[in-house]
Amino acid sequence: AQSVSQHNHHVILSEAASLELGCNYSYGGTVNLFWYVQYPGQHLQLLLKYFSGDPLVKGIKGFEAEFIKSKFSFNLRKPSVQWCDTAEYFCAVNAGNNDMRFGAGTRLTVKP
Amino acid sequence: GAVVSQHPSRVICKSGTSVKIECRSLDFQATTMFWYRQFPKQSLMLMATSNEGSKATYEQGVEKDKFLINHASLTLSTLTVTSAHPEDSSFYICSARHGSTGELFFGEGSRLTVL
Repeated sequence: AQSVSQHNHHVILSEAASLELGCNYSYGGTVNLFWYVQYPGQHLQLLLKYFSGDPLVKGIKGFEAEFIKSKFSFNLRKPSVQWCDTAEYFCAVNAGNNDMRFGAGTRLTVKP
Repeated sequence: GAVVSQHPSRVICKSGTSVKIECRSLDFQATTMFWYRQFPKQSLMLMATSNEGSKATYEQGVEKDKFLINHASLTLSTLTVTSAHPEDSSFYICSARHGSTGELFFGEGSRLTVL
C-alpha cells in the first residue's frame, strides 16, 4: 500500500544543534514532495516542496530537504535549530493525483 | 500566501446533533478542496476530495452519509458531521488547491468535541 513514513516521532534538541528528520515514501511513480510545519496552536504551513529539478530544495526559515530517488527519501534538514523551531513537522507526498498523503508527523522540541 | 479560513475553529455539541464546518478560500478560487481528520498525536488522514459542482470522492472507510460534503462554489466547501457521536470528536482540517498554481493551502482546523 502507498504510504509515507516518518521515522522519528519526537526529537529533542538543544539550540544550535543540527536537525535531520527522515521521510520515506512508497509510491512507485512520479511524486511531488512537501514538508509542512505546524506550530503550537497554528495551522499547517508549507516549509518547502519538490516537484522536479535540483533535488536539494531550499525552504523558508533556513530549512532544506534532499530528494533521493533511489532511496525514496525526502529528509528535512536545518544546520542550526532555534527555540522557535519547536513544532510538529509533516512530510507529505502527492502522487500526481488529487490527494496528499501525510506522514505521522515528527514533534520537534528545541531546548533553549 | 493565499488564505484558507475554517469556521468554526472550535465547536462543542451534544451527541446526536449535526455540525457544519465551513472552509473558504479567501483570495483565490479553489476547484478542489480536501477534508482531513487528525487524531491526537497522529497524522492527517484524508477523508474526502471535493470538486466544485460535483459529488465528493470519499476515502475507503469514511461514511459519506455521516460526513456530508458540499462544494457549491469555487470558494466554499462545507463538511457536515451528521448525528455526531463522541467518537467523531477530532480535529478537522480542510485544504484548498489554488486554481492557478495548483498549490495546496490549509485552513486553521476545526476542533469538534461531541459530548
